[in-house]
Amino acid sequence: NAGVTQTPKFRVLKTGQSMTLLCAQDMNHEYMYWYRQDPGMGLRLIHYSVGEGTTAKGEVPDGYNVSRLKKQNFLLGLESAAPSQTSVYFCAAHRTGKPYEQYFGPGTRLTVT
Amino acid sequence: RKEVEQDPGPFNVPEGATVAFNCTYSNSASQSFFWYRQDCRKEPKLLMSVYSSGNEDGRFTAQLNRASQYISLLIRDSKLSDSATYLCGAGGSYIPTFGRGTSLIVHP
Repeated sequence: NAGVTQTPKFRVLKTGQSMTLLCAQDMNHEYMYWYRQDPGMGLRLIHYSVGEGTTAKGEVPDGYNVSRLKKQNFLLGLESAAPSQTSVYFCAAHRTGKPYEQYFGPGTRLTVT
Repeated sequence: RKEVEQDPGPFNVPEGATVAFNCTYSNSASQSFFWYRQDCRKEPKLLMSVYSSGNEDGRFTAQLNRASQYISLLIRDSKLSDSATYLCGAGGSYIPTFGRGTSLIVHP
């Protein structure tokens, strides 16, 4: 039982390149989230999903797109990376009715040069 | 102004000390409250949720004060292994908001 996994763990991109971060969970949870964490800024919500086929914007959605085609996967896309998107990205999931009980993935450290 | 505010610290305490963190939230409609622990370069992990009546788990005690809109975390008999960043949070039915974290350093 792996919980929440993220791929890749590290990545370096050049400005303007695109990439997709993959989050997978084996807990059958309905809710999934993408956060970014920057020094001094805490966790900021990028996008979230309340179920398969649904997505919604969070606090800082600009420059990112997401998809939840399968319940267990939540993808975060950067179409044209910018240095301001250098951050640590965390995916999280929780079951219905337990929003405070989030299970986080190990994170993806992204650097955009 | 962030919805959830907490002192970033660091709180530097000796082993065995008692330390308390407070966290204020601005949304009076918040229904759930919690504390997460985050070790350096790791993901956050749920430490404990905070109930209206307060709750205790070993050396850790969490309290909620709805009138003043703050939650607190008390750690008794601090251990070296308690060194970490503690994130508080509040939320409604499914969108939690986290504070920026309070750094705790426990030294010998």
